Amino acid sequence: SQTIHQWPATLVQPVGSPLSLECTVEGTSNPNLYWYRQAAGRGLQLLFYSVGIGQISSEVPQNLSASRPQDRQFILSSKKLLLSDSGFYLCAWSPNGYRSHGELFFGEGSRLTVL
Amino acid sequence: AQSVAQPEDQVNVAEGNPLTVKCTYSVSGNPYLFWYVQYPNRGLQFLLKYITGDNLVKGSYGFEAEFNKSQTSFHLKKPSALVSDSALYFCAVRDISGGSYIPTFGRGTSLIVHP
Repeated sequence: SQTIHQWPATLVQPVGSPLSLECTVEGTSNPNLYWYRQAAGRGLQLLFYSVGIGQISSEVPQNLSASRPQDRQFILSSKKLLLSDSGFYLCAWSPNGYRSHGELFFGEGSRLTVL
Repeated sequence: AQSVAQPEDQVNVAEGNPLTVKCTYSVSGNPYLFWYVQYPNRGLQFLLKYITGDNLVKGSYGFEAEFNKSQTSFHLKKPSALVSDSALYFCAVRDISGGSYIPTFGRGTSLIVHP
């Protein structure tokens, strides 16, 4: 069966510090990968998605970047955090191509607090 | 284009009573529809999906959803609510003919089940 791991679960960082959140998927190959941010426990904002190694699409221009160095690894980064980067970050995956109807499978989330 | 609306920010129901969480959608073609549940400080969990066929879809934890094409709705239902059903519920839609495999999520509805 497929599993998704996301870490760290909780992070408290000062303004201006760097960020690295990591996500890995097991039990499948060539998944579509996604990073979402959830503010105030409600709506989801799609930040980045990837259909393959090195292929990253950005939905919202901001202080964050994403990378996919391996097939099942997705990393969210920032060089200098802003207060507005605080939130709950969710990684998700879906099967690629014809295998997917569009349902996503989410990790447990990473709560980032920028002080 | 695809969009989804969850008209209620919060739904309150007594334990043992039936519950309904509403969702309406808009697509150019035919929809794939999804429901997810999120417990506090956790990732989203996939509950069920409508692809085609029977308008009543059954999913996890006793939940079901009814697809109504004429009303463009996909309401989530459960015959008898449990206190443990209290959570945030998200509806999502993907337009099959839209060319994108990425679903659009609603803003979420908070379900509170009172003992």
